[in-house]
Amino acid sequence: QIQLQQSGPGLVKPSQTLSLTCAISGDSVSSNSAAWNWIRQSPSRGLEWLGRTYQRSKWYNDYAVSVKSRITINPDTSKNQFSLQLNSVTPEDTAVYYCARGKDEYFYYWGQGTLVTVSS
Amino acid sequence: DIQMTQSPSSVSASVGDRVTITCRASQGISSWLAWYQQKPGKAPKLLISAASSLQSGVPSRFSGSGSGTDFTLTISSLQPEDFATYYCQQANSFPPTFGGGTKVEIK
Repeated sequence: QIQLQQSGPGLVKPSQTLSLTCAISGDSVSSNSAAWNWIRQSPSRGLEWLGRTYQRSKWYNDYAVSVKSRITINPDTSKNQFSLQLNSVTPEDTAVYYCARGKDEYFYYWGQGTLVTVSS
Repeated sequence: DIQMTQSPSSVSASVGDRVTITCRASQGISSWLAWYQQKPGKAPKLLISAASSLQSGVPSRFSGSGSGTDFTLTISSLQPEDFATYYCQQANSFPPTFGGGTKVEIK
């Protein structure tokens, strides 16, 4: 049974960095058939895919153009988890953030979601 | 990016009703389409992949059809637990994109 458990703060100040972690059980972040994604949801932007990390012969990352200059997704093989960092946040980054396991570009398993509010 | 447009944005229905939700892609995506169900405060749940392939454990009253640009999710006999918001998502082209959602409400 694959499970994803998110952790991280729910309040971030403007211009600071949003950091979330997604711990994986029942699978490996190093899986050569899965990709590990971050997706966010807000009333104004709906469901928005942000990026992913995955390993094939080496590690790869893909990011959405809308956040590409501000985002980093890193795997942590020692803890079997992956993380999201989003720099220079503004109130427009307020959303529920989800981690998700993807395969063939479908999202089969999701974390529980973390509401992140950007406010001073 | 491929734009996904769902209609209607909301539908009111009664238990036992047949409900149909439509999703249109801004360009052809073959059968690379998923449907998700989301209940308040919960993450989306994958119901259907590849336009019509029902995920394990999903009731057979859910079905999906279509290819190219036009797709349909049908709930043949609406049950109380089906009141939720439904999203389509294209998996044909990077980046993956989602529709705006259809809320199925109790009449």
